[in-house]
Amino acid sequence: KAGVTQTPRYLIKTRGQQVTLSCSPISGHRSVSWYQQTPGQGLQFLFEYFSETQRNKGNFPGRFSGRQFSNSRSEMNVSTLELGDSALYLCASSLVGDEQFFGPGTRLTVL
Amino acid sequence: SQQGEEDPQALSIQEGENATMNCSYKTSINNLQWYRQNSGRGLVHLILIRSNEREKHSGRLRVTLDTSKKSSSLLITASRAADTASYFCATDATDTGNQFYFGTGTSLTVIP
Repeated sequence: KAGVTQTPRYLIKTRGQQVTLSCSPISGHRSVSWYQQTPGQGLQFLFEYFSETQRNKGNFPGRFSGRQFSNSRSEMNVSTLELGDSALYLCASSLVGDEQFFGPGTRLTVL
Repeated sequence: SQQGEEDPQALSIQEGENATMNCSYKTSINNLQWYRQNSGRGLVHLILIRSNEREKHSGRLRVTLDTSKKSSSLLITASRAADTASYFCATDATDTGNQFYFGTGTSLTVIP
């Protein structure tokens, strides 16, 4: 089985812009979760989608949003980028209540 | 916060030695998972232990879980230079489905 893929792998944006990141889960996995990883805050949960519905949401501002398509692929969007949004964004897919498989991440740099 | 905490934050050992890292968490869980992350890359799942299990093995890895103390430990035996990485524990909460809380990580360095 192909693993979780994320695109793009690297992204450079400027403050105020918006960005969309994409995640393709492992075939058959309906749950997709997003995490933000920074040196200061570690790995923080953003949100989880299951069957095109947001099932869980972490403590992030409304500038962070996401969606899931019928084929389980997911996108997350960050609007009005801030310098503090620079991070590694990780996507993970899983069967319900099982281990999570992570993608390689998208490294976002906000200038 | 339900975030777990790993201890120690950093560990340096010689190749061939065993490495033990610990994880403490705050609330009841369904399961606890351990992950490895090589410098700035995605996380690799190592092992999942369910709340009704006390010990689990996978190759050179041994994980224990003590739900009464809300703690888990990961033992890597006969360490290799390739084990150099950061190790994280992740816990779910019994009432939030597929939402996981990651600890702060233990940075392991195995010296050849």
